[in-house]
Amino acid sequence: GDSVTQMEGPVTLSEEACLTINCTYTATGYPSLFWYVQYPGEGLQLLLKATKADDKGSNKGFEATYRKETTSFHLEKGSVQVSDSAVYFCALSLYGGATNKLIFGTGTLLAVQP
Amino acid sequence: DVKVTQSSRYLVKRTGEKVFLECVQDMDHENMFWYRQDPGLGLRLIYFSYDVKMKEKGDIPEGYSVSREKKERFSLILESASTNQTSMYLCASSSGTFTDTQYFGPGTRLTVL
Repeated sequence: GDSVTQMEGPVTLSEEACLTINCTYTATGYPSLFWYVQYPGEGLQLLLKATKADDKGSNKGFEATYRKETTSFHLEKGSVQVSDSAVYFCALSLYGGATNKLIFGTGTLLAVQP
Repeated sequence: DVKVTQSSRYLVKRTGEKVFLECVQDMDHENMFWYRQDPGLGLRLIYFSYDVKMKEKGDIPEGYSVSREKKERFSLILESASTNQTSMYLCASSSGTFTDTQYFGPGTRLTVL
């Protein structure tokens, strides 16, 4: 079935370090891909998305490229800040007949230390 | 600014009680969703609705029901709460296409004693 696999956390980095959170997917069709972020005590919010192969989503210094050949959508940031500490979820969306449904990875906790 | 609100941030109930979780969106979205979030399991879809009075089961519907009488409101009902339903419950809404973003509420942390 359709699924998303992302690296387990926690990921602990020092401020200004580079970040990569790996995400791979399995899907029978052509999904849209998303990264959502959950800050402490809050719901999820969209960080970025890509809707077709080779698209690059970007927001707040984060980037991810939709790679169909490797079925991946890795999240990257060149220099993390303490305020980036959160749980990051990779997700895919396929047309499900009546509506879109999201399939989530298990989430990766990022802790950035000053 | 888009807004999804949930009736409670924290809720404590006793085993066997009937529990109502309410969700309201102000974006005129057709689709609404209920998820539960558990450590190590990510988000799992309980139920969703693509129109008023329409609903479909998600991946883990057992022990839950839903109601959507108005477009902006989607309720999750635990008919007889059990301790294994202690979790974070997240509501979301979206418009009609699969490329569209889902917008989430802040979540309700439910504890069943």
